[in-house]
Amino acid sequence: DTGVSQNPRHKITKRGQNVTFRCDPISEHNRLYWYRQTLGQGPEFLTYFQNEAQLEKSRLLSDRFSAERPKGSFSTLEIQRTEQGDSAMYLCASSLTIGGQNEQYFGPGTRLTVT
Amino acid sequence: GESVGLHLPTLSVQEGDNSIINCAYSNSASDYFIWYKQESGKGPQFIIDIRSNMDKRQGQRVTVLLNKTVKHLSLQIAATQPGDSAVYFCAENIGGSARQLTFGSGTQLTVLP
Repeated sequence: DTGVSQNPRHKITKRGQNVTFRCDPISEHNRLYWYRQTLGQGPEFLTYFQNEAQLEKSRLLSDRFSAERPKGSFSTLEIQRTEQGDSAMYLCASSLTIGGQNEQYFGPGTRLTVT
Repeated sequence: GESVGLHLPTLSVQEGDNSIINCAYSNSASDYFIWYKQESGKGPQFIIDIRSNMDKRQGQRVTVLLNKTVKHLSLQIAATQPGDSAVYFCAENIGGSARQLTFGSGTQLTVLP
């Protein structure tokens, strides 16, 4: 499968614990995006990278959320001191910015449950 | 704040009929719009996009119409098939390409046999 992959697919954690999710984009894609999706709602943009540069992070939900893309390939999203309200699906997408085409391809998501 | 919204949360159509899913947006600065399909347990899948300098774009069995006067977007699916059953989202962006997409809350399309 050469699409966007995310790991783990499911994560159950206790409130207060830290969690980290990984996203592997389509290999030649230079942009990588993180979204959060709660039940019955559309995805909510969190942050994005162009190569290793994080170009927008003001939409991260709080300072407990952080993301990295150290080598411009895979990315991680970390949530510190998780709260029950963090329970959601976390989606990653990637795109290739050539010729104005910037279609975002989404991964299957990581479903987080905070108990 | 300004956001993208959908008129109907659910839509049921008979197999073979045409489907129309509507979306209203309120940010007049939005200039790029995308429709996504999301099946249960999967991430959103790109269907079709349209830029604000167009009012219609056609793909395979799908057509997107954009009415900037009333800030309305629609997705038409021809000859709806069971595999079309999913949640459909419209998304918008400012800046002419998909960067910080703002999604609506979605319409559940159910295709009846």
